[in-house]
Amino acid sequence: GAVVSQHPSRVICKSGTSVKIECRSLDFQATTMFWYRQFPKQSLMLMATSNEGSKATYEQGVEKDKFLINHASLTLSTLTVTSAHPEDSSFYICSANSADYNEQFFGPGTRLTVL
Amino acid sequence: AQSVTQLDSHVSVSEGTPVLLRCNYSSSYSPSLFWYVQHPNKGLQLLLKYTSAATLVKGINGFEAEFKKSETSFHLTKPSAHMSDAAEYFCVVSSATGTASKLTFGTGTRLQVTL
Repeated sequence: GAVVSQHPSRVICKSGTSVKIECRSLDFQATTMFWYRQFPKQSLMLMATSNEGSKATYEQGVEKDKFLINHASLTLSTLTVTSAHPEDSSFYICSANSADYNEQFFGPGTRLTVL
Repeated sequence: AQSVTQLDSHVSVSEGTPVLLRCNYSSSYSPSLFWYVQHPNKGLQLLLKYTSAATLVKGINGFEAEFKKSETSFHLTKPSAHMSDAAEYFCVVSSATGTASKLTFGTGTRLQVTL
């Protein structure tokens, strides 16, 4: 199957700073990527759908100015958490749509801790 | 609107005994249904998917699931549990068959396998 990577795997930052998380499809092109967040012992909640070359579509309740998504190429989408606060601490997971495999592939996740 | 309900948050079985993880779905359309597994520090992995073909779906690692429209269920089973099956399992529904469709995750079932 195809591989999706995320970087960094974990990050700790101070409150008020911004953090960028990268999601890459390593061996396939993905016109659509998805960003999720997962709180401890809870399910994945879709935050936004990222389409290459266009603006992301955010789910209800997700602040687009706080969670900036850029999908500049067919293999890379980035999520920037701006002015992070402790309540933003979570596990962020991306997935990439592969038309060849008719499947979404998930990255290993990024654990963000905001102090 | 679509949703899935995983009826058990935690299931414990002995190695070599059958596994049953229960999932009920709700969807306004003919759903596509998936089971994903999440091992610690690893990305979500697709176990199997139902997309309106055969109602009994066979997946990887000996898992299978049966789509029952009359019961709106998609339970995951395995005849004989292995220690390596211990993980978090998510039942997922999509309202469309395309891989770029939004996925709605259940709350997850943690499978524990004991000796």
